[in-house]
Amino acid sequence: GAVVSQHPSRVICKSGTSVKIECRSLDFQATTMFWYRQFPKKSLMLMATSNEGSKATYEQGVEKDKFLINHASLTLSTLTVTSAHPEDSSFYICSARGGLGADTQYFGPGTRLTVL
Amino acid sequence: DAKTTQPPSMDCAEGRAANLPCNHSTISGNEYVYWYRQIHSQGPQYIIHGLKNNETNEMASLIITEDRKSSTLILPHATLRDTAVYYCIVRVIGNQFYFGTGTSLTVIP
Repeated sequence: GAVVSQHPSRVICKSGTSVKIECRSLDFQATTMFWYRQFPKKSLMLMATSNEGSKATYEQGVEKDKFLINHASLTLSTLTVTSAHPEDSSFYICSARGGLGADTQYFGPGTRLTVL
Repeated sequence: DAKTTQPPSMDCAEGRAANLPCNHSTISGNEYVYWYRQIHSQGPQYIIHGLKNNETNEMASLIITEDRKSSTLILPHATLRDTAVYYCIVRVIGNQFYFGTGTSLTVIP
């Protein structure tokens, strides 16, 4: 149990376009989901906390207009990178809280974004 | 949330126990110790967590010192598939996870 999926696993886009990444909890309901980004050989950096039915809470330094987060249901959160630029190229990972251990976070497999 | 200190890298022979230390000397009474690992280019995988008592599951054991200022994750019989970056995180229930730099464990054949 406690499986989290992400789609797509890899995406390449042109500079200036927007990219949407989906995060789904497959076998449990997640009232809270989290979005992280990770640069090569670096640790995960928390970007925002997403609560179902309410606005996301962004970490300091993360542009909310750049990284749009929607958490419309208990099993789906989306991250949209708007007007993507090469510096947005990164590994984006979501996690969902819930499942067997109600406070344990379960992570998705990640999405590799490359902006040309 | 309390910060953690982990060695940047460790090696372990295949089949031997891997003991990964974590220092969290500023941990407060209501903060749990969580361990995750991340295999290259994948999302982190939950391993185990605890508050005061030692914990064991099918993956690993977690030993927390009596003063709770440090802990050790034990993989009893390391395999090549255990090669990963291991993260020790301390947090209050309900709070976010903030990842440190972790320990890169290499299991050697």
